[in-house]
Amino acid sequence: EIVLTQSPGTLSLSPGERATLSCRASQSVSSISSNHLAWYQQKPGQAPRLLIYGASSRATDIPDRFSGSGSGTDFTLTISRLEPEDFVMYYCQQYGSSLYTFGQGTKLEIK
Amino acid sequence: QLQLQESGPGLVKPSETLSLACTVSGGSIRSTSYYWGWIRQPPGKGLEWIGSIYYGGNTYYSPSLKSRVTISVDTSKNQFSLKLSSVTAADTAVYYCARHILYCSTTSCSPGWFDPWGQGTLVTVSS
Repeated sequence: EIVLTQSPGTLSLSPGERATLSCRASQSVSSISSNHLAWYQQKPGQAPRLLIYGASSRATDIPDRFSGSGSGTDFTLTISRLEPEDFVMYYCQQYGSSLYTFGQGTKLEIK
Repeated sequence: QLQLQESGPGLVKPSETLSLACTVSGGSIRSTSYYWGWIRQPPGKGLEWIGSIYYGGNTYYSPSLKSRVTISVDTSKNQFSLKLSSVTAADTAVYYCARHILYCSTTSCSPGWFDPWGQGTLVTVSS
């Protein structure tokens, strides 16, 4: 099983600031041609929403302040200018193996 | 726009079988581009993938749940279902269904990310 470790557990920032969320895999989730990692946003009481797939491709209707990067075992979700609605939970998910796993989540809170 | 909706009992007794259905609307479950998956989230905790199914019946299951899980598909109803047997309090969670997107390399296609998700349904295991 590929274990995903997200850091930090909680990130305290102010609106307008830049957020950097990390997701580290216990083994590589990348192939020669692609990086098998997705990011989701979850608001309280709602289902997760896909933000990023393939480590860096934004999903439909996702604002361009959200960006993803990384390869191998180290991945980053960056939110360039935080809006009030961005202060929620974020999860990464790997699909490098057919045992699909999620990170434990990062909570983004208002400082 | 594709939508998914979970349905089923919100309360299940210990040792019994949890049964949920996911109805897909706004698109066909008989697509060659997708699997269909179940994911759960215990209250206040993270996400756990349970398993996924192709419309033709091929399945992937989480090894930790495989002995208790059956996922099936009914293309006539545009629906897929989850059965989890011998439940305990540890199975109390919000259960989500989601479309599991296939991605293709030069040699093969495999399920990847989940999009969209149903709204989720809380299932409590209690006597």
